[in-house]
Amino acid sequence: EIVLTQSPGTLSLSPGEGATLSCRASQSVSSTSLAWYQHKPGQAPRLLIYGASSRATGIPDRFSGSGSGTDFTLTISRLEPEDFAVYYCQQYGGSPPYTFGQGTKLEIK
Amino acid sequence: QVQFVQSGAEVKKPGASVKLSCEASGYTFTNFAMHWVRQAPGQRLEWMGWINAGNGNTRYSQKLQGRVTLSRDTSANTVYMELSSLRSEDTAVYYCARQSWYHFDHWGQGTLVTVSS
Repeated sequence: EIVLTQSPGTLSLSPGEGATLSCRASQSVSSTSLAWYQHKPGQAPRLLIYGASSRATGIPDRFSGSGSGTDFTLTISRLEPEDFAVYYCQQYGGSPPYTFGQGTKLEIK
Repeated sequence: QVQFVQSGAEVKKPGASVKLSCEASGYTFTNFAMHWVRQAPGQRLEWMGWINAGNGNTRYSQKLQGRVTLSRDTSANTVYMELSSLRSEDTAVYYCARQSWYHFDHWGQGTLVTVSS
């Protein structure tokens, strides 16, 4: 099983600041199979980034993804109030074929 | 627009079974695979399995193999997830999600299943 470890567990920032979220894989992951999601309580998870760096439809350009191999990053520039949520990375490959990170909670400072 | 409507919350006793539904709209149902993902309290998201909505082929997580069954009704644009021999560890929010390449581009709102005696 490919284990994804996200850091930090919680990130406390103010609107207008930038955020950097990390996702580290226990073994190399194809960039095409790394995605990021935003999840707010009581809502459906929302796809933000796929293929490590491609923004999903309708996602603002303040969200960007990067990385390769075992280290991937989600960057949010200029935080908006609606960006405070939990963020998950997800990969495809291995067995089970899909695994998720434990999440990073982005909270208002 | 693409939308999924999941069935309502369930409370079950240990050993029972539960069958959840996920009705799709806004796209050609048979053109996409559908997955089920769950999240137990305080735990990470866990992939359970997928079904090819076109031909009905399925694949399940090894952890849940033998207890989980996915099915679909193409006339109703609905996928189903049945989980048997429920135990307390199955208490979770269950999501359906549509596959696009190697990720999930649209998700349902989730269904809470509580397993308690």
